[in-house]
Amino acid sequence: KAGVTQTPRYLIKTRGQQVTLSCSPISGHRSVSWYQQTPGQGLQFLFEYFSETQRNKGNFPGRFSGRQFSNSRSEMNVSTLELGDSALYLCASSGRGLGILQTINNEQFFGPGTRLTVL
Amino acid sequence: DQQVKQNSPSLSVQEGRISILNCDYTNSMFDYFLWYKKYPAEGPTFLISISSIKDKNEDGRFTVFLNKSAKHLSLHIVPSQPGDSAVYFCAARNYGGATNKLIFGTGTLLAVQP
Repeated sequence: KAGVTQTPRYLIKTRGQQVTLSCSPISGHRSVSWYQQTPGQGLQFLFEYFSETQRNKGNFPGRFSGRQFSNSRSEMNVSTLELGDSALYLCASSGRGLGILQTINNEQFFGPGTRLTVL
Repeated sequence: DQQVKQNSPSLSVQEGRISILNCDYTNSMFDYFLWYKKYPAEGPTFLISISSIKDKNEDGRFTVFLNKSAKHLSLHIVPSQPGDSAVYFCAARNYGGATNKLIFGTGTLLAVQP
């Protein structure tokens, strides 16, 4: 099975611009989550999508948005970029559905990330 | 509010010895815990997990221990190998909730010296 793929791998933008990042989950996985990693902050949860619906959202401003398509691919968008948005953006996919009766062996698998630099 | 804490930013051990990485959490609703390993320029790789109904889970050289009363978990790597050098993240999830959201610690950089 192919792993989680993210495009582009590297991106340089300037303040005020907007950016769209893409994530293709493992085939068959319907849950996609996004995380931001910055030095000293670890991984911060951005949002989660399941079957094209946003199921959970982290504490990020409205400039951060996302969506999921019918083939489970997901995109996240950041508008009006700020210097502090420079980070590694990671996408994770899971075969776990949502609900307390789901199977346990359904870990999240991460893509390689997109390194965003805002100048 | 850091609900998952890894208080040691770095750890150095000799090859062949035991590496012990620690993690503390504050939210008693967490009932599933995971360890991930991360190399630079790569995404985190799942290592091992443990449910709150257990106190130990073992997979080869990796063992995770959970102390619910202390809200503490640890990852033991025995024997440590130079290839284990990486950043290790502890993560927690409220399994019973309708979410796959993971709360991560800030990571511990493990250096295994040959």
